[in-house]
Amino acid sequence: AQRVTQPEKLLSVFKGAPVELKCNYSYSGSPELFWYVQYSRQRLQLLLRHISRESIKGFTADLNKGETSFHLKKPFAQEEDSAMYYCALRVGNYQLIWGAGTKLIIKP
Amino acid sequence: GAGVSQSPRYKVAKRGQDVALRCDPISGHVSLFWYQQALGQGPEFLTYFQNEAQLDKSGLPSDRFFAERPEGSVSTLKIQRTQQEDSAVYLCASVQRNTEAFFGQGTRLTVV
Repeated sequence: AQRVTQPEKLLSVFKGAPVELKCNYSYSGSPELFWYVQYSRQRLQLLLRHISRESIKGFTADLNKGETSFHLKKPFAQEEDSAMYYCALRVGNYQLIWGAGTKLIIKP
Repeated sequence: GAGVSQSPRYKVAKRGQDVALRCDPISGHVSLFWYQQALGQGPEFLTYFQNEAQLDKSGLPSDRFFAERPEGSVSTLKIQRTQQEDSAVYLCASVQRNTEAFFGQGTRLTVV
């Protein structure tokens, strides 16, 4: 079955500490994975996609096919990183399967 | 406007009432998606349009849900005889080609 799991509903870290938001997926095909972010009172927006291998706002994510994971990492958290983060898996040509999301709180 | 626009932002409906939710995608975007997001959950796929063609409606939870995009731009999601379990945020997203999905702010539907 196609599934995206974000095991942490809430993650709270201090400013300047490293952050890792976990995402595991289940998919028999070739995965294409995304991280979306939703800041308070704003719309969902793309943070990064694995195929572009880019770093946005200091965040990176590496696709690990062996562990079927796509964890989102940032070495030094900033207060403005507080938001909801969603991991999503593209299946077929257009469908996205979404995780339940992780609320990240950065404490000052 | 430059982004995806949804209206209304909030809708309170009495159980059994019909509702219509509107989505104005980014001009020129061919693909349009509707999602349902329950509290504490990620978005769940409802339906997908390519221009005016509804290519996939497999996520619509029941025949009370109906979506259309008659001219390949604005789309309407209609829910007939609303039930309490329909309470959710309904998200619309548009995509230019096989690239990034741009989301609207969503419509929060509360059925009382």
